[in-house]
Amino acid sequence: GQSLEQPSEVTAVEGAIVQINCTYQTSGFYGLSWYQQHDGGAPTFLSYNALDGLEETGRFSSFLSRSDSYGYLLLQELQMKDSASYFCAHNYGQNFVFGPGTRLSVLP
Amino acid sequence: DSGVTQTPKHLITATGQRVTLRCSPRSGDLSVYWYQQSLDQGLQFLIQYYNGEERAKGNILERFSAQQFPDLHSELNLSSLELGDSALYFCASTKTSGSGNEQFFGPGTRLTVL
Repeated sequence: GQSLEQPSEVTAVEGAIVQINCTYQTSGFYGLSWYQQHDGGAPTFLSYNALDGLEETGRFSSFLSRSDSYGYLLLQELQMKDSASYFCAHNYGQNFVFGPGTRLSVLP
Repeated sequence: DSGVTQTPKHLITATGQRVTLRCSPRSGDLSVYWYQQSLDQGLQFLIQYYNGEERAKGNILERFSAQQFPDLHSELNLSSLELGDSALYFCASTKTSGSGNEQFFGPGTRLTVL
């Protein structure tokens, strides 16, 4: 089977750095994606890691270690607008599986 | 704006009824995915179509069905509705059906079953 685990909530202050972890169990793996979803909004794509290592996109970075079945999303210079839910996701064959989501609250 | 459109935005109906949700993918995208998101829940993958053909099935109930038409728009049909079917239904599109492709999500249809 396949499942992903994430912390349910994370809180940080403006300007700080926060890391959201994702561990997965799957019998087939095709890479890890990250999505952001604001309350009442649609998910939007942030990043994708097919290979081990770090991918950087502006203030956001994503890391993958396939040997550890682990990845994380790193958000730097946090802003109030980063308050949202963050989902890791992966393909299982043609099936897309999302993690339960991590709710990030950024405090002033 | 992702370029993916969904109609209607809101739908209120009664138990036992049937509804149809519509999705138009981004121009040029061949693949459409349907997801269900219940209150405070993650996204549950329902089904994927690619260029008119069913490509993958997730946790889709037998009461639910979908199709993708020649113009690539897709419809999700929900029948014999139950209170528990109340949720946000999203569709997403990608150019191909390969892994890792950025999925572009529509704004969603909020279904309320009374």
